[in-house]
Amino acid sequence: AQSVTQPDIHITVSEGASLELRCNYSYGATPYLFWYVQSPGQGLQLLLKYFSGDTLVQGIKGFEAEFKRSQSSFNLRKPSVHWSDAAEYFCAVGAPGGGADGLTFGKGTHLIIQP
Amino acid sequence: NAGVTQTPKFQVLKTGQSMTLQCAQDMNHNSMYWYRQDPGMGLRLIYYSASEGTTDKGEVPNGYNVSRLNKREFSLRLESAAPSQTSVYFCASSEFGPAGEQYFGPGTRLTVT
Repeated sequence: AQSVTQPDIHITVSEGASLELRCNYSYGATPYLFWYVQSPGQGLQLLLKYFSGDTLVQGIKGFEAEFKRSQSSFNLRKPSVHWSDAAEYFCAVGAPGGGADGLTFGKGTHLIIQP
Repeated sequence: NAGVTQTPKFQVLKTGQSMTLQCAQDMNHNSMYWYRQDPGMGLRLIYYSASEGTTDKGEVPNGYNVSRLNKREFSLRLESAAPSQTSVYFCASSEFGPAGEQYFGPGTRLTVT
């Protein structure tokens, strides 16, 4: 079965600074990888996804993520954060063609933006 | 376009009471899911339905039942609620299972006392 680890429970970043949120996964082959964002009291919104091909994927709101097979990682980055980026961020993995037909989520990283 | 809708938004139950959480999607998606979200635990899959007429257990199915009423609707039932089922419940749908984006509803916050 697949698993996801988000090592950072909380991250504090100054507005305008760059951001990197870490995600490591465990899966026997190349999984499908996702980053979701959850604002307080809201459901989850997809930021970006990786299935195959180019290992650097672009998403909405200026986010990007890079798949590194050798490190089993899919880290999320943004060059300059805005106060509206404060939210909970979840990395998720899906198993292509097998296993439970849902996603396995990490425990989330809470992003705090300092003015 | 409403996407994924869930009712109710909030619910308080006493231990032993039953209730059904409703979910509907208007995107003609084949797959639907129920997750629960607990602090520090991320989202965990309760049940899923790959297509109309089929349901399967996820990671944490104990204490729950589901019904895929038609292609649009997927309900989650708690037959005898327990305090351990206090959580936020999310319904989601996707067109192609894990190969596609999952669209989430706004959630139901359930408290069992």
